[in-house]
Amino acid sequence: DVKVTQSSRYLVKRTGEKVFLECVQDMDHENMFWYRQDPGLGLRLIYFSYDVKMKEKGDIPEGYSVSREKKERFSLILESASTNQTSMYLCASRQEDRVGETQYFGPGTRLLVL
Amino acid sequence: RKEVEQDPGPFNVPEGATVAFNCTYSNSASQSFFWYRQDCRKEPKLLMSVYSSGNEDGRFTAQLNRASQYISLLIRDSKLSDSATYLCVVPNTGNQFYFGTGTSLTVIP
Repeated sequence: DVKVTQSSRYLVKRTGEKVFLECVQDMDHENMFWYRQDPGLGLRLIYFSYDVKMKEKGDIPEGYSVSREKKERFSLILESASTNQTSMYLCASRQEDRVGETQYFGPGTRLLVL
Repeated sequence: RKEVEQDPGPFNVPEGATVAFNCTYSNSASQSFFWYRQDCRKEPKLLMSVYSSGNEDGRFTAQLNRASQYISLLIRDSKLSDSATYLCVVPNTGNQFYFGTGTSLTVIP
């Protein structure tokens, strides 16, 4: 079974803090993704990575950055947290960009920015 | 127009009922489609994949209508454990997946 883990299930931070969310997958997947999920808006893609040190912006990259130094690890960074970044953050991985290959999700991190 | 649209529901059905959800998508070039299930405060998990006209797995049937650009999910003989939010997912080019906002299902005893 694919296993995707995230560093924290719940996180409370203050406005202006730098926040690191870490994601690790154990299946040697090429592609990794960061989403946020908000009520009524569904999942929205923040960034994705298709290889080590490679990254692509998703639909809502503003206020976020990412790092992929190792294949199994993909980090999301909130440079200066703001209250509108309070959300559920989901990491996912995928074997490769091929028809039929689905994404596997980590358990999510619920972030509250005060 | 949104890439993927779903009726948010909620759908409240009695045990044993048959319920169907529809999902429309805008990218006519999409080749594969997925239904995910998401329980409250949990991550989405793959329920079914759809590549050609449809797919069946036990009580669950997913159908694809390319001409009208919609996919459907049919659940027969609903169980209490089927209560969840069902997400329609359509991959796009460039490794991006588009998620619907989900359809909420509650199965009532």
